Amino acid sequence: SQKIEQNSEALNIQEGKTATLTCNYTNYSPAYLQWYRQDPGRGPVFLLLIRENEKEKRKERLKVTFDTTLKQSLFHITASQPADSATYLCALVLYNFNNFYFGSGTKLNVKP
Amino acid sequence: NAGVMQNPRHLVRRRGQEARLRCSPMKGHSHVYWYRQLPEEGLKFMVYLQKENIIDESGMPKERFSAEFPKEGPSILRIQQVVRGDSAAYFCASSQGPGGSTDTQYFGPGTRLTVL
Repeated sequence: SQKIEQNSEALNIQEGKTATLTCNYTNYSPAYLQWYRQDPGRGPVFLLLIRENEKEKRKERLKVTFDTTLKQSLFHITASQPADSATYLCALVLYNFNNFYFGSGTKLNVKP
Repeated sequence: NAGVMQNPRHLVRRRGQEARLRCSPMKGHSHVYWYRQLPEEGLKFMVYLQKENIIDESGMPKERFSAEFPKEGPSILRIQQVVRGDSAAYFCASSQGPGGSTDTQYFGPGTRLTVL
């Protein structure tokens, strides 16, 4: 069966450290993978998109990797800040671009 | 440019009533997606629409749920004869083009439906 797995346990880290979140999938062949941030009571906000043929993407303090052999994406936040505390969702986009498959998200807590 | 608008933000219905959720996409966006999110769970795709067309409704329950995106006006997600299991947050997203390409999705604030 098709699955997208993100660590359901919250990730607690100290301010200034690098946070690394994982997204694993099975039985999908995505064209793209996206990462979103969601704050309580709000809709998700798009952060980064990485294509199937890209290994790594960066945007300011954010870095995403995409390994289609391992079927895994890693999302890094360097020099983390308490304001980075939120739930982070990964989403797979298939080649038909018709729908998006979201993971259940990982909650990140950055402590000052 | 206003973002994606959803209303109402909170909706309470009794079992058996109808729920109508509205979504106004961002200006210039003609692609709309609806998602459902249960507490502590991820977003579940429901339906993808373009103006006057349903492109993909593979995530929609076969009964009681319907969606439309008319030529004029907002997109509507309609739930007939609501049951307690329909209680969830419903999010709408819009994009300028197919949302999986360089045109990403922009999400609305969601409608929280509570069925008593």
